[in-house]
Amino acid sequence: SQQGEEDPQALSIQEGENATMNCSYKTSINNLQWYRQNSGRGLVHLILIRSNEREKHSGRLRVTLDTSKKSSSLLITASRAADTASYFCATEQGAQKLVFGQGTRLTINP
Amino acid sequence: GAVVSQHPSWVICKSGTSVKIECRSLDFQATTMFWYRQFPKQSLMLMATSNEGSKATYEQGVEKDKFLINHASLTLSTLTVTSAHPEDSSFYICSARRALMPLHFGNGTRLTVT
Repeated sequence: SQQGEEDPQALSIQEGENATMNCSYKTSINNLQWYRQNSGRGLVHLILIRSNEREKHSGRLRVTLDTSKKSSSLLITASRAADTASYFCATEQGAQKLVFGQGTRLTINP
Repeated sequence: GAVVSQHPSWVICKSGTSVKIECRSLDFQATTMFWYRQFPKQSLMLMATSNEGSKATYEQGVEKDKFLINHASLTLSTLTVTSAHPEDSSFYICSARRALMPLHFGNGTRLTVT
């Protein structure tokens, strides 16, 4: 399979807590991206981290990338109920093709 | 606002009929669009790359004759599921890239074949 692995597959936390999701991939990459998907909807781009970057921040999001381990993590701080969604990592594999990980279903309990 | 529009958002059809799904880039030209398929609680699987003015490039295992892709203009790609069967029921999502920007995704089409 070309797809990467994400863990956990499902995560349920209390509002206000931090949520961490991990992603591993198999091939060399130019960049790694994280997307969010609300139930039954399309994907929304969250953040892109290039292969020469190790960490990137955007608001309450923090992404790390370890190319030696072929892994990335997404941290959402001070979670809110509205953060409930599925989160996918994706790697770009030539000609703009994105290959998605299995996703993490995040539930924020109020 | 949305930059990629997908229509319809949901469709129910009878087995054996064909269904067309449209993907439009609203305020930019997209020479390349992508079609994905997603089963419940699963990830997105790339089906094909739609190229304006040329044939689509299909991923391994995707039937070209069943999933017809037409990218007739720089703002429109269509996916036609021909002779649909219940196993074709799924969530179909298109995406397009704006120059120097990450991919934008449509809101998806929920296809149910009865």
